[in-house]
Amino acid sequence: KNQVEQSPQSLIILEGKNCTLQCNYTVSPFSNLRWYKQDTGRGPVSLTIMTFSENTKSNGRYTATLDADTKQSSLHITASQLSDSASYICVVSAYNDYKLSFGAGTTVTVRA
Amino acid sequence: EPEVTQTPSHQVTQMGQEVILRCVPISNHLYFYWYRQILGQKVEFLVSFYNNEISEKSEIFDDQFSVERPDGSNFTLKIRSTKLEDSAMYFCASRSDSPNSPLHFGNGTRLTVT
Repeated sequence: KNQVEQSPQSLIILEGKNCTLQCNYTVSPFSNLRWYKQDTGRGPVSLTIMTFSENTKSNGRYTATLDADTKQSSLHITASQLSDSASYICVVSAYNDYKLSFGAGTTVTVRA
Repeated sequence: EPEVTQTPSHQVTQMGQEVILRCVPISNHLYFYWYRQILGQKVEFLVSFYNNEISEKSEIFDDQFSVERPDGSNFTLKIRSTKLEDSAMYFCASRSDSPNSPLHFGNGTRLTVT
């Protein structure tokens, strides 16, 4: 069964600090891995998409890494801002699979 | 930037009633999806739609659910006889035909079944 596990479930950081979120998956055959940001009461918004051949991708202060061998990904937030407070969801796609497998998300709270 | 729009933003209905959730995907997108998110839980796939037919559906998407693309712009999710456990946020999403293109989500419809 395709699964996506994220850790930690939640974290609190001070404004300006960095943090790293983890994602482990068992989806196979792997096609791509996406990180989404979901603000409370809103739909998820795409941050990054990585395919098998990519091991890092940045979008502003967000940097995602992928190790397709160990089936792990991380999302690093640099110099956090209050607006980074949200749920960050790891989503993995299997080849030719329309369903996408969603992680439960990591809730990040940035405090002043 | 074009976006996926969903209406209504909040729908309250009584158990056993039919509801229709509406979505207008991004105009040049070809793949359409419905997801739901029960409060405090992960986003769950319901159904994908391509070329005017369902391409994939989950076990959640039983006979009570149906989808339609009645015209060139709208994409609807119908629940025939709502149950209390159908209460959730329902997200519509669309993407272009590039296999690694991002999903664009709407802001969801919060369905409350009483």
